[in-house]
Amino acid sequence: DIQLTQSPSTLSASVGDSVTITCRASQSVDSWLAWYQQKPGKAPKLLIYAASGLESGVSSRFSGSESGTEFTLTISGLQSDDFAVYYCQQYYAYPLTFGGGTRVDIK
Amino acid sequence: QVQLQQWGAGLLKSSETLSLTCAVYGGSFATYYWSWVRQPPGKGLEWIGEITDGGHTNYNPALNDRVFISADASKSQFSLRLTSVTAADTAVYFCTRTPSRYYGLDHWGQGTLVTVSS
Repeated sequence: DIQLTQSPSTLSASVGDSVTITCRASQSVDSWLAWYQQKPGKAPKLLIYAASGLESGVSSRFSGSESGTEFTLTISGLQSDDFAVYYCQQYYAYPLTFGGGTRVDIK
Repeated sequence: QVQLQQWGAGLLKSSETLSLTCAVYGGSFATYYWSWVRQPPGKGLEWIGEITDGGHTNYNPALNDRVFISADASKSQFSLRLTSVTAADTAVYFCTRTPSRYYGLDHWGQGTLVTVSS
């Protein structure tokens, strides 16, 4: 299975900050990586697909990038609604796998 | 507006079979891939398996052949069966949709908490 390692596991930030979350894959996943946001008691929400594609309806404050097997999610101008848990997911190979998650909370 | 609505038993005993169904409203059922994902309380996400638009299934080997996913296109529904459940199967189960093999999971059901007691 392809392992996805997210860092940090927890991130404390203030409204207005820009934050970056990293997801490192244990092997190549090409660009077949997605990012999700999950709030307590809710289903995850797709933010980014194909490493850098912005899902329809998602704020442009969210952006994704890749460098080899390292992927990053950047949130610019953090808003109160952005405090949540973020997951990466690869869909290059079966079984599809998720990272362990990064919690973004209020400093 | 596509909506996925899921239902099924929320409390099971060890060795019983988990059974969940997900109905798709407001969109096409054909040409999409339909998956199940689960999340143990306080933990991360685990992909269970999928059924493709051609009826082909792919499962997570970690579930040791206990999983079966089926679909009824005439009703725009797909289902999950997980046999011989244990406490380790206690989780919130989500049904999801993806437009193709190379896209993220773009629509999710509301989630169903399934608790397995011994």
